[in-house]
Amino acid sequence: GAVVSQHPSWVICKSGTSVKIECRSLDFQATTMFWYRQFPKQSLMLMATSNEGSKATYEQGVEKDKFLINHASLTLSTLTVTSAHPEDSSFYICSAKSDFRDENTEAFFGQGTRLTVV
Amino acid sequence: QKEVEQDPGPLSVPEGAIVSLNCTYSNSAFQYFMWYRQYSRKGPELLMYTYSSGNKEDGRFTAQVDKSSKYISLFIRDSQPSDSATYLCAMTLWTTDSWGKLQFGAGTQVVVTP
Repeated sequence: GAVVSQHPSWVICKSGTSVKIECRSLDFQATTMFWYRQFPKQSLMLMATSNEGSKATYEQGVEKDKFLINHASLTLSTLTVTSAHPEDSSFYICSAKSDFRDENTEAFFGQGTRLTVV
Repeated sequence: QKEVEQDPGPLSVPEGAIVSLNCTYSNSAFQYFMWYRQYSRKGPELLMYTYSSGNKEDGRFTAQVDKSSKYISLFIRDSQPSDSATYLCAMTLWTTDSWGKLQFGAGTQVVVTP
């Protein structure tokens, strides 16, 4: 199957600093990428939809000025957590879908990034 | 009310038993249904998907969808300790804007004991 790579796998940062997480589709072009957040023992919650070359669409309750998303190319989307606070500590996961669509299309997930804000 | 309901478990079964998982949903517009497996601190991996009512088999896994009842199930036969993980159901609309935008259940933690 297709590969989506996230970097870094884990990061610890100080409160008030910013952290950038990268999501790359390694063997296909992803016109759309999705960013999810998962708190311990809870399900994945969609944060935003990122389309190449345009502004991201954020889900209700997600602060777009805090979670900056950039989808500059068909293989790379970045999520920047600005002025991070301990409550932002979570597992962030991206997924990507290709620009074709048929019954076998799936959204491929990255391995996730564990963010801890201290 | 959540759009997708899933019992978080944990569900403990002995090795070799059948694992039965299910989700209910409220949005009748969902047309594409998936089951993911997630190991601790890893991203989800797709197990099965289906877009119609009925059964679909893949090895030890069987997925069932009942759109009239808004109910989906996943069965794992001959369960192994390596099947111990969290299983998430997910679903999406069949529209250009929504494709790939998944609504997840809470996930059910499964423990298969030797």
